[in-house]
Amino acid sequence: KNQVEQSPQSLIILEGKNCTLQCNYTVSPFSNLRWYKQDTGRGPVSLTIMTFSENTKSNGRYTATLDADTKQSSLHITASQLSDSASYICVVSAKSGYSTLTFGKGTMLLVSP
Amino acid sequence: DTGVSQNPRHKITKRGQNVTFRCDPISEHNRLYWYRQTLGQGPEFLTYFQNEAQLEKSRLLSDRFSAERPKGSFSTLEIQRTEQGDSAMYLCASSPQGARDTEAFFGQGTRLTVV
Repeated sequence: KNQVEQSPQSLIILEGKNCTLQCNYTVSPFSNLRWYKQDTGRGPVSLTIMTFSENTKSNGRYTATLDADTKQSSLHITASQLSDSASYICVVSAKSGYSTLTFGKGTMLLVSP
Repeated sequence: DTGVSQNPRHKITKRGQNVTFRCDPISEHNRLYWYRQTLGQGPEFLTYFQNEAQLEKSRLLSDRFSAERPKGSFSTLEIQRTEQGDSAMYLCASSPQGARDTEAFFGQGTRLTVV
C-alpha cells in the first residue's frame, strides 16, 4: 500500500529560526514528490516538485531534498517568518493510474514572534 | 482571478439534508479532482474527471455521493442525506493535459458542517 509519513506532526519555532520537516514514502513506482503549503482554511499551494533525478531544489527560503534510495524527502525553511505558519503537506505521485497522488497528513508549523 | 474557484466557501446543513458544491477549474485544465480533508489530516482522494468522463472513484465515495462534470468544464459534488461524519473541507483541484500528477492547482475549498 502506498503511504506517506510526515514528521514531526507539529512544530513551534521562534521567528527567524530555521527548521526541517521530514517526509518518508513507500509509493511505487515513484514518479515525483511535491511539497504543498496549506494555510488554515485554504487550499494547498505548491512550493516545489522533486523528480527522481533531483536531489536538492530551492524556492526562496524553502529548500527541498530528495533521497530516492532511502525514499525520504525534507523541506528546510530558513529564517522563518510569521507567515510561514501553516500546514506543510508532502504529496507523492506514482507513475501508473490516473489519481495516484498519496498525501501525507502534514506537519503543522507555528512560527512564534 | 484565474485560479480554481469553489462555491460556496462554507456550508452548514442539518443532518439528512442534501448539499451540492461547485468547482470551476482553471479554464484550460481538462483534469479535475475532488478531495476531502478532515481536521489534522491530509486530503483524501474522492474522484477524478478527465474532461466530462469520471474515470476513477474512491471507495470513500459512498452511494450518497455523486459528482458530475457535464460539459467538461465546471463540476458539482452532491452529498445526499448528509451525516455528521461528512463534515469536512471538500477540495477541488485541476491540472492540464499531460501534467505530472502532482501539478494540481487547488481551490480554496468548501467547508461543510453537518449539525
